[in-house]
Amino acid sequence: DVKVTQSSRYLVKRTGEKVFLECVQDMDHENMFWYRQDPGLGLRLIYFSYDVKMKEKGDIPEGYSVSREKKERFSLILESASTNQTSMYLCASYSSGTGGRNYGYTFGSGTRLTVV
Amino acid sequence: GIQVEQSPPDLILQEGANSTLRCNFSDSVNNLQWFHQNPWGQLINLFYIPSGTKQNGRLSATTVATERYSLLYISSSQTTDSGVYFCAVLRGYSGGGADGLTFGKGTHLIIQP
Repeated sequence: DVKVTQSSRYLVKRTGEKVFLECVQDMDHENMFWYRQDPGLGLRLIYFSYDVKMKEKGDIPEGYSVSREKKERFSLILESASTNQTSMYLCASYSSGTGGRNYGYTFGSGTRLTVV
Repeated sequence: GIQVEQSPPDLILQEGANSTLRCNFSDSVNNLQWFHQNPWGQLINLFYIPSGTKQNGRLSATTVATERYSLLYISSSQTTDSGVYFCAVLRGYSGGGADGLTFGKGTHLIIQP
């Protein structure tokens, strides 16, 4: 089974800190994603990457950046953490398969970030 | 962008009951997935089902792409089925490749013993 591992389950950071959330997948998937999940708002796409060093903005990229230096690792960066970035962050990956079709996503177990 | 609506938002059932969850989407899609998020927050992919019907044990799903809806059926519910069920569709295709998923707000299912 594909495994998507997020480095921290819980994280508490101070306002203004630079925060790195790490995600690693072990199945050579080319596509990786970062979502945040908030009560009443559901899951929203922050950034995604379809190849090493490639990145695309999702629906809510403001205040975030990403890095994909290796195929298996996709990092989400909060340049200057703010309290409104307190949330559950979920990483996902999948393989496009043949013909560019998409198959099932695999999610990590999430990082619950609190910014104080 | 594409809109995804799920109903009902909340559902409370007794163990052993059957249920049907619905997902409506606003545009044609070539990728639709159902997920279950357990009480610990882990999202599990249940079905990749852009069209047709699939079954996996007590769960089955049907997508009627021409009418822009999908249904998730849970039969003989168990307490372990509790959690939030999400429907998600592909947003589209970016210039470089595939795009991310747009999620509905979910159906919160509680199965009581």
